[in-house]
Amino acid sequence: DIQMTQFPSSLSASVGDRVTITCRASQTISNYLNWYQHKQGKAPKLLIYGASTLQSGVPSRFSGSGSGTDFALTITSLQPEDFATYYCQQSFRTPWTFGHGTKVEIK
Amino acid sequence: QLQLQESGPGLVKPSETLSLTCTVSGGSIGSSSYYWTWFRQPPGKGLEWIGRIYYTGTTDYNPSLKSRVSISVDRAMNQFSLTLSSVTAADTAVYYCARPHSEKSYALDVWGLGTLVIVSS
Repeated sequence: DIQMTQFPSSLSASVGDRVTITCRASQTISNYLNWYQHKQGKAPKLLIYGASTLQSGVPSRFSGSGSGTDFALTITSLQPEDFATYYCQQSFRTPWTFGHGTKVEIK
Repeated sequence: QLQLQESGPGLVKPSETLSLTCTVSGGSIGSSSYYWTWFRQPPGKGLEWIGRIYYTGTTDYNPSLKSRVSISVDRAMNQFSLTLSSVTAADTAVYYCARPHSEKSYALDVWGLGTLVIVSS
């Protein structure tokens, strides 16, 4: 299985801050890397697919980068509604696997 | 707009079989070349892919669960289903159905809200 290592596991930030979450795959996955936002009691929401393509309807303050094994999700100017848990996921090869998540909390 | 909704018992006894259904609305499960998938998230843990079924009926399962899992599709009811046999407390989780989009690197662009299944006697 392809292991996805995501860090940090949690962070505290203020509204307006720039936040970066990183994700590393245990082997190359080209650009088959997706990012999701998950809030308690709700369905996960797709933010970024193909490492850097913004899903329709997602604010432009979210961006993704990377290729191969190293990837990043950046949120510029964090908003109150962005406090949630974020997951990376590889769709290069089954079994599809996720990072363990990054919980973004209010400072 | 495509929507998914999971349904099934919220409580299953150890050693029994867990059965869940995902109802697809706003689109036909058999009209497009999509996979339909199941995931789960145990309390306090990360997301785990269970398996997927192609609209033709071809399946692919997580090797960690392969001996106990089955996914099927019912085109007439516009549903797909999950069965997991010989459950234990470790199978307690929120179970999600989702659709990966082949033109979006198989990213999961539509999810159900999830349903909590507790394995307990």
